[in-house]
Amino acid sequence: AQKITQTQPGMFVQEKEAVTLDCTYDTSDPSYGLFWYKQPSSGEMIFLIYQGSYDQQNATEGRYSLNFQKARKSANLVISASQLGDSAMYFCAMREWNRDDKIIFGKGTRLHILP
Amino acid sequence: DTGVSQDPRHKITKRGQNVTFRCDPISEHNRLYWYRQTLGQGPEFLTYFQNEAQLEKSRLLSDRFSAERPKGSFSTLEIQRTEQGDSAMYLCASTPGRSSYEQYFGPGTRLTVT
Repeated sequence: AQKITQTQPGMFVQEKEAVTLDCTYDTSDPSYGLFWYKQPSSGEMIFLIYQGSYDQQNATEGRYSLNFQKARKSANLVISASQLGDSAMYFCAMREWNRDDKIIFGKGTRLHILP
Repeated sequence: DTGVSQDPRHKITKRGQNVTFRCDPISEHNRLYWYRQTLGQGPEFLTYFQNEAQLEKSRLLSDRFSAERPKGSFSTLEIQRTEQGDSAMYLCASTPGRSSYEQYFGPGTRLTVT
């Protein structure tokens, strides 16, 4: 079974609108972390935001926020006031702290911001 | 810190040749990870080092693949007898230690096997 599921292969959003990228995850480890990374066409992976499984509040980093719904095993990324530079691939990822030290990535969502 | 660097950025090789990639982590980061990313997929874990010790290897890492980090600083990933299926982006990441949640990625090496 896939541990990270991103159901939106691609999305088109008008500039300045907010966008939500979906991510669901599967784990039996009570201690885990969820990440979002951005990968522009240049290829580098850029860390955006992190949410720990025991964190009580949703993580926020500037225009990025993570909508963490633990019971639903959902960790959606919300980008407010989208910009043309937000066009990229976005990956949701998870690390199971009691299991091993690798990060498991989803297949990604390609976000296109339209002018 | 200058960030994680990888060399070369692009490599084109013929099937059957050996290739070696280098990763220089952020200085004083004792954990170093290798990932492989094929087109349309997210990165997949290959292996990681704690200082010079290789602590885990994925089943994806066949016996044609070998990774080293001899002095606990830079790392090399060698692929012997390359196959077309090895064509991918090879990403390196480093982190200060196990408790650090953020992995800092390099720009990657794109391998094309013809």
